[in-house]
Amino acid sequence: KAGVTQTPRYLIKTRGQQVTLSCSPISGHRSVSWYQQTPGQGLQFLFEYFSETQRNKGNFPGRFSGRQFSNSRSEMNVSTLELGDSALYLCASSGTGGFQETQYFGPGTRLLVL
Amino acid sequence: AQSVTQLDSQVPVFEEAPVELRCNYSSSVSVYLFWYVQYPNQGLQLLLKYLSGSTLVKGINGFEAEFNKSQTSFHLRKPSVHISDTAEYFCAVLPQAGTALIFGKGTTLSVSS
Repeated sequence: KAGVTQTPRYLIKTRGQQVTLSCSPISGHRSVSWYQQTPGQGLQFLFEYFSETQRNKGNFPGRFSGRQFSNSRSEMNVSTLELGDSALYLCASSGTGGFQETQYFGPGTRLLVL
Repeated sequence: AQSVTQLDSQVPVFEEAPVELRCNYSSSVSVYLFWYVQYPNQGLQLLLKYLSGSTLVKGINGFEAEFNKSQTSFHLRKPSVHISDTAEYFCAVLPQAGTALIFGKGTTLSVSS
């Protein structure tokens, strides 16, 4: 079974721009979660989508948004980029996001904001 | 609120030596516990998890962890490490009925010969 894929793997943007990251979950998985990883803050939960609905949300500003399509693929959008948005963005998928399920992570998208 | 503390940010060890990576958590609700490993320029890979049952959990690559409810700890151990174990290790908790993993800051394990 193919793993979680994320595109693009690397991205360079300038302040003020917006960016869209994509995540394709493992086939059959319906829950997709997004995390931001930075050296200072570590791994922080952004949001989780299940069946095209945002089910859970972390403590990030409204510039961070996402959506999920009917095939469970998910996109994350960051508008008005700031230098502090430079990070590795990881997505993880699981079957239903239930407490007993393991989240499988993709390789991440490394975003650099200049 | 839940939080996870990984007590050592860096752990240097020699090859074939035993290692313990420490993890403590605080939570007002019951949680499930996880250890993930991240190799350079890669995503996270699950090493092991504790959901219920035996407090000693065995994972991949020879790692194991022990859940200690009274001490709210979930330390990761390996009796003999290899150079290839060099990576960053993350302890995480998942509140029961929750869907968001809460991670510790990570411990960098450096194995040298």
